[in-house]
Amino acid sequence: GAVVSQHPSRVICKSGTSVKIECRSLDFQATTMFWYRQFPKQSLMLMATSNEGSKATYEQGVEKDKFLINHASLTLSTLTVTSAHPEDSSFYICSARWEGVEQYFGPGTRLTVT
Amino acid sequence: TQLLEQSPQFLSIQEGENLTVYCNSSSVFSSLQWYRQEPGEGPVLLVTVVTGGEVKKLKRLTFQFGDARKDSSLHITAAQPGDTGLYLCAGTFGNEKLTFGTGTRLTIIP
Repeated sequence: GAVVSQHPSRVICKSGTSVKIECRSLDFQATTMFWYRQFPKQSLMLMATSNEGSKATYEQGVEKDKFLINHASLTLSTLTVTSAHPEDSSFYICSARWEGVEQYFGPGTRLTVT
Repeated sequence: TQLLEQSPQFLSIQEGENLTVYCNSSSVFSSLQWYRQEPGEGPVLLVTVVTGGEVKKLKRLTFQFGDARKDSSLHITAAQPGDTGLYLCAGTFGNEKLTFGTGTRLTIIP
C-alpha cells in the first residue's frame, strides 16, 4: 500500500513557541493532502485540505492563522502550529490521496505543549 | 453536516467469538471506507465500498454496504487478539473529504 511518513513522531514544546510537522508521501505523488487532529479516545477531525501550490482550505472553527499549512510539492505538506498553547496538545495525523477516494494516513505526531 | 454513528462504542469479547460493528449515516455516502487504528498510530485502510449492497471480504473480515448506501457493517469471524484496535468507518459525501465515524474500540481477550 501507499506509504506516508510524518516527522517528528513526538514533540514537546513550551507554550508560546511554534512547531512544524512534516508529512511526506514516499512512493506516490499526492494530489491532495489532509490534516486531522485526534483527541484521546475520540475520532479524527478534519482540520484542512491542502493542494499543491494553492492555499489550504480550512474546516469551520479551525484558525488558519494558528495552523499554517504549506504544500510546496506533490510529496510534502507541512503544518505549523504557531504560538502553541496547552489546549493545542493533540495527535496530529496527515493523509494523502492521489486518485480515487482512498486516503493513506501517516503514523501521526503527538504534540505536547507545556 | 453529516453524522456517522458507530455502534457499539466499546466491545470486549473472547478470542474465537464472532462480532459485528455498525456504521450509520444521516446522509447517503458517495463512498465508505473502514479503517483500523492502533494506539499511537495512524489509521490503516481496510476496505472501500461504493456500490449499494456490496459485500467485500478480507480474510476473516466481511464488510457490507447497505442497499441505500447509508449504513455499513463489519463482521469479524473467529476474532483473534491481533484484531484488537479502534475500528473507524469514514465516508465521502460528494467530495473528497472524509468524515469519520465515532469509532468502535474492540478488545479481544485471549
